[in-house]
Amino acid sequence: DAGITQSPRHKVTETGTPVTLRCHQTENHRYMYWYRQDPGHGLRLIHYSYGVKDTDKGEVSDGYSVSRSKTEDFLLTLESATSSQTSVYFCAISEVGDVDTQYFGPGTRLTVL
Amino acid sequence: RKEVEQDPGPFNVPEGATVAFNCTYSNSASQSFFWYRQDCRKEPKLLMSVYSSGNEDGRFTAQLNRASQYISLLIRDSKLSDSATYLCVASSGSARQLTFGSGTQLTVLP
Repeated sequence: DAGITQSPRHKVTETGTPVTLRCHQTENHRYMYWYRQDPGHGLRLIHYSYGVKDTDKGEVSDGYSVSRSKTEDFLLTLESATSSQTSVYFCAISEVGDVDTQYFGPGTRLTVL
Repeated sequence: RKEVEQDPGPFNVPEGATVAFNCTYSNSASQSFFWYRQDCRKEPKLLMSVYSSGNEDGRFTAQLNRASQYISLLIRDSKLSDSATYLCVASSGSARQLTFGSGTQLTVLP
């Protein structure tokens, strides 16, 4: 158990509304990641962070922003949600000293109507 | 073309069977490789890392061929509990960003 929680676990929202998903970790991991998973696409990297206030874009970053003001929290924001952002969102962390191994949170199921 | 490609299956095999999954990757700069397992509506979990020398963990054997950019996973003596989706994964970049295949679905039948 890598001590990762995600909130909310489920959310239904309407097109055009802002949405923020939270990833919280309890074990001081340096690296944190946000992925989305869609049928036929597998998991795709949205953004990642390599430290407080240090973030970078992944493969599918358009329409998403992130913030990391504390080591333990990595926030993913959809400024104006669209139906194409309906997906399951997973947060992941990497162990210090073992950056290759990522552990995933339980996921957030987001539906944009 | 996807960076990591795998046969989506589904593979339906009887208990006790041996099943093999294959995967290819296109980014020659990929540094590390993994197999993850994902149960229905759950998060992916690391099954094993994959090395050029081959590695084994109980009934599971993984192999990497860097020249062919090919990764494999062999499951021997399949159990009902092996039913899941198996994800082939390549790592690259300074932050070890992961690129996932779409997954291969396995169902082990009694």
